[in-house]
Amino acid sequence: QTVVTQEPSLTVSPGGTVTLTCASSTGAVTSGYYPNWFQQKPGQAPRALIYSTSNKHSWTPARFSGSLLGGKAALTLSGVQPEDEAEYYCLLYYGGAQLNWVFGGGTKLTVL
Amino acid sequence: EVQLVESGGGLVQPGRSLRLSCTASGFTFGDYAMSWFRQAPGKGLEWVGFIRSKAYGGTTEYAASVKGRFTISRDDSKSIAYLQMNSLKTEDTAVYYCTSGTLITLATFWGQGTLVTVSS
Repeated sequence: QTVVTQEPSLTVSPGGTVTLTCASSTGAVTSGYYPNWFQQKPGQAPRALIYSTSNKHSWTPARFSGSLLGGKAALTLSGVQPEDEAEYYCLLYYGGAQLNWVFGGGTKLTVL
Repeated sequence: EVQLVESGGGLVQPGRSLRLSCTASGFTFGDYAMSWFRQAPGKGLEWVGFIRSKAYGGTTEYAASVKGRFTISRDDSKSIAYLQMNSLKTEDTAVYYCTSGTLITLATFWGQGTLVTVSS
């Protein structure tokens, strides 16, 4: 069974920079996994932030960026704002005979 | 403005069936893949499955946890996607979200979700 791993929690100060990562149990994450990142605040539906590793949606704030880092997908927030406190999920694509999309367990980001 | 509205959730006994609907507006429904995701209470997100647009064959893919029990379909004339859930189990209890997107940006837009509770 494929497992996608994220940091359970991270804390960052307002104005700071933080990087969230997303690792696959199958090995290095590449662009072929089409990493997506989502933000979810309590009581709300998730919101898409990043697709295909580093592409932003029209509503994604400029301070969010996606990349590949050390064999993982990464989401970097630069100049963190209080409203960025949320749960962040990555989503990876696994092709093959049994196509599958697998979420990471989520990272709870606290802005303190 | 893109809007996705799920409906059809509720309380259902184990082993029974339920059909969810996702009514879309604000975009050309037939051009996009439609997906379903779920989130058990207090837990993370899980992909359930998706249906391709007719341009890509209108075929479906499912997570292993629901394959053979759940069926996704679409009515492009009504801009509605469906999730037929059969042989429901207690572990299917979750908020179910529908999304629209491409085959790469599977979940660009999200509905607000509908709660399905499977309990006797």
